[in-house]
Amino acid sequence: QVQLQQSGAELVKPGSSVKISCKASGYTFTSYDMHWIKQQPGNGLEWIGWIYPGNGNTKYNQKFNGKATLTADKSSSTAYLQLTSLTSEDSAVYFCAREDYYSSFPSGFAYWGQGTLVTVSS
Amino acid sequence: NTVMTQSPTSMFTSVGDRVTMSCKASQNVGINVGWYQQKKGQSPKRLIYWASNRDTGVPDRFTGSGSGTDFTLTISNMQAEDPAIYYCLQHNSYPWTFGGGTKLELK
Repeated sequence: QVQLQQSGAELVKPGSSVKISCKASGYTFTSYDMHWIKQQPGNGLEWIGWIYPGNGNTKYNQKFNGKATLTADKSSSTAYLQLTSLTSEDSAVYFCAREDYYSSFPSGFAYWGQGTLVTVSS
Repeated sequence: NTVMTQSPTSMFTSVGDRVTMSCKASQNVGINVGWYQQKKGQSPKRLIYWASNRDTGVPDRFTGSGSGTDFTLTISNMQAEDPAIYYCLQHNSYPWTFGGGTKLELK
């Protein structure tokens, strides 16, 4: 069965960077886009972008240009989200989610990681 | 960017009620809309894809409808396990965008 296992909670200082991981299992990692979604406390969901692990292609929400970098390691079937120059506005739960397809057309996210809480505080 | 506006933002209901919530897109998104249920402390769970297709294992009391700019999620017979926040997501154009959510609670 498809599983997305994310790394644990992070407490980081303002101005620093953090890299969180999402280890995939139960499917061919290189064949599906992996997306990242941000959820601030008490707030809704915000799409950050995706990476296609097969070739490393990425697509970002312009809002996160310069803030988020998506990478993937095919050897360990792990996707990463790196966030830089952290501020309190980056404190949130970050989810990875695998894009799904039906008849080769995207259909959103059937599989989600459990979320990683990032807290930015001095 | 395509703005997804959900209404109501919150509602109280009773077990057995029929519940209807709306999601309106600021531009035509075809049927590229999904509905997600998020319970407290959990990851979102997709209920509906392509506006009206129920995911495997989702009870048939959940029904999605609509196309273009107007979408609806209906729960035909509210159950005790259904209180949650429900989000719509459009994946027709970048950036993909979620609605602000409808919080569904029991009276």
